[in-house]
Amino acid sequence: QKEVEQNSGPLSVPEGAIASLNCTYSDRGSQSFFWYRQYSGKSPELIMSIYSNGDKEDGRFTAQLNKASQYVSLLIRDSQPSDSATYLCAVTDSGAGSYQLTFGKGTKLSVIP
Amino acid sequence: EAQVTQNPRYLITVTGKKLTVTCSQNMNHEYMSWYRQDPGLGLRQIYYSMNVEVTDKGDVPEGYKVSRKEKRNFPLILESPSPNQTSLYFCASSPSNYLGNTIYFGEGSWLTVV
Repeated sequence: QKEVEQNSGPLSVPEGAIASLNCTYSDRGSQSFFWYRQYSGKSPELIMSIYSNGDKEDGRFTAQLNKASQYVSLLIRDSQPSDSATYLCAVTDSGAGSYQLTFGKGTKLSVIP
Repeated sequence: EAQVTQNPRYLITVTGKKLTVTCSQNMNHEYMSWYRQDPGLGLRQIYYSMNVEVTDKGDVPEGYKVSRKEKRNFPLILESPSPNQTSLYFCASSPSNYLGNTIYFGEGSWLTVV
């Protein structure tokens, strides 16, 4: 059974601080990794994707991937109250000819003004 | 505007009364999928389709049916709904089944079965 694990939170950080969100996955052959942001009652929206080991930066967001440790993280710099949401880690499976995306249960982030 | 449209957005129904949640995308995407989201369980895939007339089970297919007769539509059918199917449902689409393509989600359908 493929598993994607995240701390459920809530993770509280003060405005302007760095928020660090973590995710581990069980399928060693997974190739693609995503972070989605979901506001309460809304659909998930993609904020970052990463496919190779190392860091990928996009504005205030940095995704980090370590395939050897089966670990992916998301850093949010200069956190804003509008970043308060649930962050979902998603991992594609490694099965040939299939496309399944397994989501973690999400980490709830609260940015305190 | 590129979008994935689900209907109905909100529905309260009774146990055993067949219902269909429609999903339509206007991006000519090959890949479409249905998820349900429940508190404490996260997003779980119900069914997915890699092209017309090609569908496959996700992680929680029991109690659901799907069909893909046209590229743009992927309805979710609950033949005999039960209260444990009360959930928030999302339809999603993607350009192809190539690993790594962005998935676009619909706005969600809140379903309550009493």
